[in-house]
Amino acid sequence: GDSVTQTEGPVTVSESESLIINCTYSATSIAYPNLFWYVRYPGEGLQLLLKVITAGQKGSSRGFEATYNKETTSFHLQKASVQESDSAVYYCALGGTNAYKVIFGKGTHLHVLP
Amino acid sequence: EAAVTQSPRSKVAVTGGKVTLSCHQTNNHDYMYWYRQDTGHGLRLIHYSYVADSTEKGDIPDGYKASRPSQENFSLILELASLSQTAVYFCASSENPSSAETLYFGSGTRLTVL
Repeated sequence: GDSVTQTEGPVTVSESESLIINCTYSATSIAYPNLFWYVRYPGEGLQLLLKVITAGQKGSSRGFEATYNKETTSFHLQKASVQESDSAVYYCALGGTNAYKVIFGKGTHLHVLP
Repeated sequence: EAAVTQSPRSKVAVTGGKVTLSCHQTNNHDYMYWYRQDTGHGLRLIHYSYVADSTEKGDIPDGYKASRPSQENFSLILELASLSQTAVYFCASSENPSSAETLYFGSGTRLTVL
């Protein structure tokens, strides 16, 4: 079936360190998957961090990057130097032909230490 | 700025009681969604709606009803709350059902059923 698997949290890193949160997907019933990273800051709702709808392309936002790799079915989230304000829960998501078919990962709780 | 507001922010309910969760959007979006998140799971779709006075079942509709009295408002109703419905509930809206379309989320309602 269709699924998303991402790094189990919590993940703790120190400020200015690099970060990678792994995300792999299975899209057996989705012909042209679209991939997303959403972020939920404390006390707020999920908001889109970045999205990529074409395999091989890279999305970036707020210093975060993710490349849609169709060969390895991966969409890892990376940042070269995290800040304390990046502490949040990050969700990888897989979209099909309709928004009501978006499949979310379990979320990865990131703690950035000052 | 797109806005989705949920009420209440948190609620404690008794088993067998009726619970209504409310969602209001000012995005002028046609599509609205209710998700739940449990520990160890990603967000799962309960109900969605693409027009006022009409709702559709999502992936886990059992035990829930939905109501869309207007474009702006979408409610989730638990007629007989059960312990297994303890979770965080998110409402979202989107402009159209394209999978690449961004979902706009509320900040969530934490429901505890005792």
